[in-house]
Amino acid sequence: GAVVSQHPSWVICKSGTSVKIECRSLDFQATTMFWYRQFPKQSLMLMATSNEGSKATYEQGVEKDKFLINHASLTLSTLTVTSAHPEDSSFYICSASPSGVSTDTQYFGPGTRLTVL
Amino acid sequence: RKEVEQDPGPFNVPEGATVAFNCTYSNSASQSFFWYRQDCRKEPKLLMSVYSSGNEDGRFTAQLNRASQYISLLIRDSKLSDSATYLCVVNGADSSYKLIFGSGTRLLVRP
Repeated sequence: GAVVSQHPSWVICKSGTSVKIECRSLDFQATTMFWYRQFPKQSLMLMATSNEGSKATYEQGVEKDKFLINHASLTLSTLTVTSAHPEDSSFYICSASPSGVSTDTQYFGPGTRLTVL
Repeated sequence: RKEVEQDPGPFNVPEGATVAFNCTYSNSASQSFFWYRQDCRKEPKLLMSVYSSGNEDGRFTAQLNRASQYISLLIRDSKLSDSATYLCVVNGADSSYKLIFGSGTRLLVRP
């Protein structure tokens, strides 16, 4: 149980295009999902917290107009990187916290590796 | 100062060795502590939670020292499959739902 999927697992795109990444909790409902970014040899950094039916909460320094988050259902959150640039190339990982459970319990998706040319 | 600090390693040990990792965290109000394991180019996976009294799960033992704001992980009888990066994680003291990740300690277990 507690499986989280992400799609796509990797994507290569041209500079200036937008990329959408999906995060799904497959066998549980998640009121709260989280989006992280990890650069090589660095730690996971929380970008934003996504709450079903409400606006996402962004961490300091993360541009909300560039990283659009939508959490329209209890099993799906999407992250759209708008007008991607090479510096956005990174490993994007989502996690989901089962509804009714402490949100420090998080199940992670397999990640999406984004390369912007 | 980083919120969670770890020695990046790598720790290069032979099979069967005992190895210990340490971690310090900056915010004394943090309440939840974890060790995660991350394989190369994969997502992190929870290895174990860390409790105040210390806890053990098979070959893995975790300890917490709140006074020193220090967390440790001991791996006994290392296996080749233990080779990975071990991430020390604490919850954010300002908002308990946030997880703060250390940058990880890399372990290489050699035959």
